[in-house]
Amino acid sequence: GNSVTQMEGPVTLSEEAFLTINCTYTATGYPSLFWYVQYPGEGLQLLLKATKADDKGSNKGFEATYRKETTSFHLEKGSVQVSDSAVYFCALKQGGANNLFFGTGTRLTVIP
Amino acid sequence: ETGVTQSPTHLIKTRGQQVTLRCSSQSGHNTVSWYQQALGQGPQFIFQYYREEENGRGNFPPRFSGLQFPNYSSELNVNALELDDSALYLCASSWGAANTGELFFGEGSRLTVL
Repeated sequence: GNSVTQMEGPVTLSEEAFLTINCTYTATGYPSLFWYVQYPGEGLQLLLKATKADDKGSNKGFEATYRKETTSFHLEKGSVQVSDSAVYFCALKQGGANNLFFGTGTRLTVIP
Repeated sequence: ETGVTQSPTHLIKTRGQQVTLRCSSQSGHNTVSWYQQALGQGPQFIFQYYREEENGRGNFPPRFSGLQFPNYSSELNVNALELDDSALYLCASSWGAANTGELFFGEGSRLTVL
């Protein structure tokens, strides 16, 4: 079946620190992969995506590379800001399916 | 551009009751999906509606049902509420039945079942 495993949080970092949030997946075929972010008091919003192996998704300084050999899609940012404090969800979608499978989420807190 | 709006934002019900949650999709979107997010968990797919028809369903019992209206707004109905139905219910809209995975979510309706 399909599943997504994220590193457990919460994660607390100082401003300007390097961020990695690990995500691995189990799926048949070649899913599309996503990172969604949920800021306090807001709905989930798409942060970035990758649709095939070796694709790199990027947005707002965040990056993630679709690694088929390790079935991973780790989220990285070189220098986090207080405004990056949020819950981050890794998700996958099988081709032809109309739903997303989400991980359990990782809460990031960035302190000044 | 109007985003996805959900109502009510919070509600409390007792076991055995019924609840209706409402969602207005983002303008220009014709597809609505519903997800259940239990505390500390990721969202789980309940079902999707496209052009007023159910277009895919997750592993939820029939007491979870829905509707989509001609203006693409949607309702989620849950009958015979159980304690485990306590969760944040998320509505997401998108364009077209061929879902690219790029969903636009509302802030959710938090249901507590006592």
